[in-house]
Amino acid sequence: GQNIDQPTEMTATEGAIVQINCTYQTSGFNGLFWYQQHAGEAPTFLSYNVLDGLEEKGRFSSFLSRSKGYSYLLLKELQMKDSASYLCAVSDSNYQLIWGAGTKLIIKP
Amino acid sequence: GAVVSQHPSWVICKSGTSVKIECRSLDFQATTMFWYRQFPKQSLMLMATSNEGSKATYEQGVEKDKFLINHASLTLSTLTVTSAHPEDSSFYICSARPTDRDGGEQFFGPGTRLTVL
Repeated sequence: GQNIDQPTEMTATEGAIVQINCTYQTSGFNGLFWYQQHAGEAPTFLSYNVLDGLEEKGRFSSFLSRSKGYSYLLLKELQMKDSASYLCAVSDSNYQLIWGAGTKLIIKP
Repeated sequence: GAVVSQHPSWVICKSGTSVKIECRSLDFQATTMFWYRQFPKQSLMLMATSNEGSKATYEQGVEKDKFLINHASLTLSTLTVTSAHPEDSSFYICSARPTDRDGGEQFFGPGTRLTVL
């Protein structure tokens, strides 16, 4: 079956760095996405990885290892507004997005 | 670019009535659009995949006669919740996949909060 695993909840301190991991098992692979979702709002796109390695975009970076079925989202210089759920999703062989349950990130002052 | 709108953003209706939600891709064409439902503190649940000019594909457990989907153009898909009941109250979110992009990236609308009294 298809499966996306990510931690349910994480807590970090303002100004610090946090890494949110995602492991996946899917039928086919056409890329991995990270989305941010604030409470009561729709998800917004953060990053897309289809090749192995690190993609950096400002304070956010995303890493992919296809051989390990593993990705992480790295958030630096955390701000209170980064408190949200972070969703990992994999595009399968049919270009359908398979979603993880999301990781709720709590930022403390 | 890649903006998706939804209308209405919220709706309150009486039990037994029908509600139509529109999803539009404003600056790109989308052969495929998706409809999700999200209950409080739960993850996104894909309801159906909508393909322009053909019938929607519904996920297991989603009643196609209750949740009518029409994807009449490359920029518009509609979801009609027929004979709505309080248990249908939820946050409905659409997304659209640009026709000219590889990889399956989806852009989300802002969502529609439905409350059925």
